[in-house]
Formats: sequence, C-alpha cells, structure tokens
Amino acid sequence: TQLLEQSPQFLSIQEGENLTVYCNSSSVFSSLQWYRQEPGEGPVLLVTVVTGGEVKKLKRLTFQFGDARKDSSLHITAAQPGDTGLYLCAGARNTGKLIFGQGTTLQVKP
Amino acid sequence: GAVVSQHPSRVICKSGTSVKIECRSLDFQATTMFWYRQFPKQSLMLMATSNEGSKATYEQGVEKDKFLINHASLTLSTLTVTSAHPEDSSFYICSARGGRSNQPQHFGDGTRLSIL
Repeated sequence: TQLLEQSPQFLSIQEGENLTVYCNSSSVFSSLQWYRQEPGEGPVLLVTVVTGGEVKKLKRLTFQFGDARKDSSLHITAAQPGDTGLYLCAGARNTGKLIFGQGTTLQVKP
Repeated sequence: GAVVSQHPSRVICKSGTSVKIECRSLDFQATTMFWYRQFPKQSLMLMATSNEGSKATYEQGVEKDKFLINHASLTLSTLTVTSAHPEDSSFYICSARGGRSNQPQHFGDGTRLSIL
C-alpha cells in the first residue's frame, strides 16, 4: 500500500513555466522532506517542513506543509533546465522511517 | 558536514556471486542506517533498518538471508547480497542518521549492481 501519493509522476515543460508537485496522504507525518535526485546519485535533501501550515522558500522553490500535516506541495517558479531531475517527497514517521512518494520526473526544455 | 560515502559506486558480476556494499558516515556517528532499493525511474523502497550493535529490522517481503546487513560500528554498515541473481540487479542506496529519530537522514550516492 502506497501511503504517500505523489503527482504528477512525469512532467515536461518549457523553460520559464511554473509547476506544482503534490504529495498527499491519509496519514499524519511528524515531518515531511523534499529531495532531488540526479541519475546515478543519491537523493539530496532540499527542505524539511515540520509545522502544519509551514511555508519555506528556497530561491525559486516554495514548499508548503498542509495544516493537518498530511500533505505537501512543491512549487517551482520560472523553471530552468537545471531544475531537471527526479523530485521525491518523503514523510517521516515518529520512528524516523521515511515513507517515499512515487517521485516526479521533471524535464525542463530550453 | 553530514557526508555519507557508499562504495562501490558500480559493480558488475556473474550470477551466484556475493556482493558487499559499504556505507560509511564520514563526519558524524550514525546510530541508525537505512538500506533502500530503487528501480529505474521509480522511488526508493526501504529494505531494512540497522542500529549499531543490534540485528537489522527488515521490511516485509525482504529476505534477511539474501540481504545480510551488518552495522558493527557507529560509522559503518554493510549490505551483502548473497548468491546474487539477475533479478537482484538494481540501484542500492544507504542513508545514515545520528542521534534521535527526528534527525534527518543523509544519503550516500548509491551502488549500481548489475548481475549478468
């Protein structure tokens, strides 16, 4: 059973466009993390959100944690070819285990 | 800080061979290490959790006799794929966490295992 639904799974856009990736669950997480992964490499942590309703910004990336701590979104403004990659959300349990979403493969065309 | 080194980065070997993958935390003590498996264009699936000095906890469906995990020190965990077969070919990634369970996991760069 997939506990964290991530959508869309694939996204191909033109440079300069905006996009939003969603992660939804029926379960509450103690925190939620967003990672970016390049082919052949491990995931790199972008941000951790902990508080319900929390919004964090990282340059052109905006991350939001739902009020009930069950869902999260990643919004990218004016996407660049360098943003191309696999984006993963992961919800953290109280045990510290991470539950990963299916991932979103983003391609930004110049 | 918080660097995790995984070795080797790639291994190709014949069916029936056992392969050992190392995961080291270089600048912190990792009380807990996690092992994941990832298929192409898919997400990470947790295989097992290992705590230093104790037996690993395996996720449902993961054969503990097939995937041997040792976490003998606070900076090193190893995953041995025993008698590997082509269906074991995958990208294996480790992560390490220090201290309490709310600390973030830091990931290695993964090992591409190809069994011929």
